[in-house]
Amino acid sequence: DAGVIQSPRHEVTEMGQEVTLRCKPISGHNSLFWYRQTMMRGLELLIYFNNNVPIDDSGMPEDRFSAKMPNASFSTLKIQPSEPRDSAVYFCASSLGQGLGETQYFGPGTRLLVL
Amino acid sequence: AQSVTQLGSHVSVSEGALVLLRCNYSSSVPPYLFWYVQYPNQGLQLLLKYTTGATLVKGINGFEAEFKKSETSFHLTKPSAHMSDAAEYFCAVGAGGGNKLTFGTGTQLKVEL
Repeated sequence: DAGVIQSPRHEVTEMGQEVTLRCKPISGHNSLFWYRQTMMRGLELLIYFNNNVPIDDSGMPEDRFSAKMPNASFSTLKIQPSEPRDSAVYFCASSLGQGLGETQYFGPGTRLLVL
Repeated sequence: AQSVTQLGSHVSVSEGALVLLRCNYSSSVPPYLFWYVQYPNQGLQLLLKYTTGATLVKGINGFEAEFKKSETSFHLTKPSAHMSDAAEYFCAVGAGGGNKLTFGTGTQLKVEL
């Protein structure tokens, strides 16, 4: 299996621009998670989906962030407008089921730098 | 709500020495516990997990962890460190409803010759 695929791997943009991060979960997985990792705050869960439905978005920082999962094989995380404090590594992860003991499989991450 | 505390943001050991990374959790319901490893510029990878049953869990690369309910701990150990073990290690807990995890702040492991 190809694993979780994220694109782009690196993104450099200027403040105020729209940024779209993309994720393709492992085929057959029905849960998808978006995380943000920074030195200051560590690894934070932003939002997660079960069967393409957002379950918990309490970690989304503010209205500038939005996430969608139009189908089982694709999700996007959008930041509009972007700010320098959004600079971080954004990870997507997926899991096969929705149970507590399910392993989450992480993608390689998108390293975002907002100038 | 659940939480995880990892004692020591940086741990340094000599090659061949015992590795001990500490994790304590807080949960009002029986927890599911995980250890993940992150190598530079990569995503997190599962090392091992405890769900139910045997409290001593063995994982990949010679790592193991023991769930101790009385101590609310899930420390990660490896008898003999290897240079390739240098990475950041995250403890995580899942509890209650839903399948989301709460991660600790991570421990950076350095292995010296």
